[in-house]
Amino acid sequence: EPEVTQTPSHQVTQMGQEVILRCVPISNHLYFYWYRQILGQKVEFLVSFYNNEISEKSEIFDDQFSVERPDGSNFTLKIRSTKLEDSAMYFCASSPTSGGTDTQYFGPGTRLTVL
Amino acid sequence: AQKITQTQPGMFVQEKEAVTLDCTYDTSDPSYGLFWYKQPSSGEMIFLIYQGSYDQQNATEGRYSLNFQKARKSANLVISASQLGDSAMYFCAMRGGTGRRALTFGSGTRLQVQP
Repeated sequence: EPEVTQTPSHQVTQMGQEVILRCVPISNHLYFYWYRQILGQKVEFLVSFYNNEISEKSEIFDDQFSVERPDGSNFTLKIRSTKLEDSAMYFCASSPTSGGTDTQYFGPGTRLTVL
Repeated sequence: AQKITQTQPGMFVQEKEAVTLDCTYDTSDPSYGLFWYKQPSSGEMIFLIYQGSYDQQNATEGRYSLNFQKARKSANLVISASQLGDSAMYFCAMRGGTGRRALTFGSGTRLQVQP
């Protein structure tokens, strides 16, 4: 069964450093998402991406964040200058075309630790 | 604004019994979707079940069913014949509004199945 994959599973970085989190969505899906979950808290939406552009973003997704689909399979989230409060689990998700349930399928997550 | 409320931070159930996890929502959009996800201790988010706002019947997926009461704005998850592997965090989520794909999550319910 196809699934969303994410690398790395755990990333440790120093405050102020740039990090890139990588995701490979399900191959026939067209919508891609990033969510984050700070330890012990609810899952929060960051951004959605369709047709090579951002379709929706939350207040969390400020200028420090960017997303890119550099090729036909990868979808990345970049944090330019990490802060302590960026420490969280970051989930990538993908969903098929519009219509029906349009269920979002999540990857296993990347745990980001900012020191 | 959309809001999901899960009032049960933790629940216990005996193996083989049924359990209901509560979820209420608030939205002004006439068209929305409701989802339940399971998050085991390993951290991944597993899609369980979906209910559309216009669906006439309650959704069912194997041992999972969704008790959808539109007038009360509730979408409770019922797990029948609980298994030890059902022990996990359960999140209710809503996608609302035409063209909006972001999921709004509740705070989750930790379910523990006891032998």
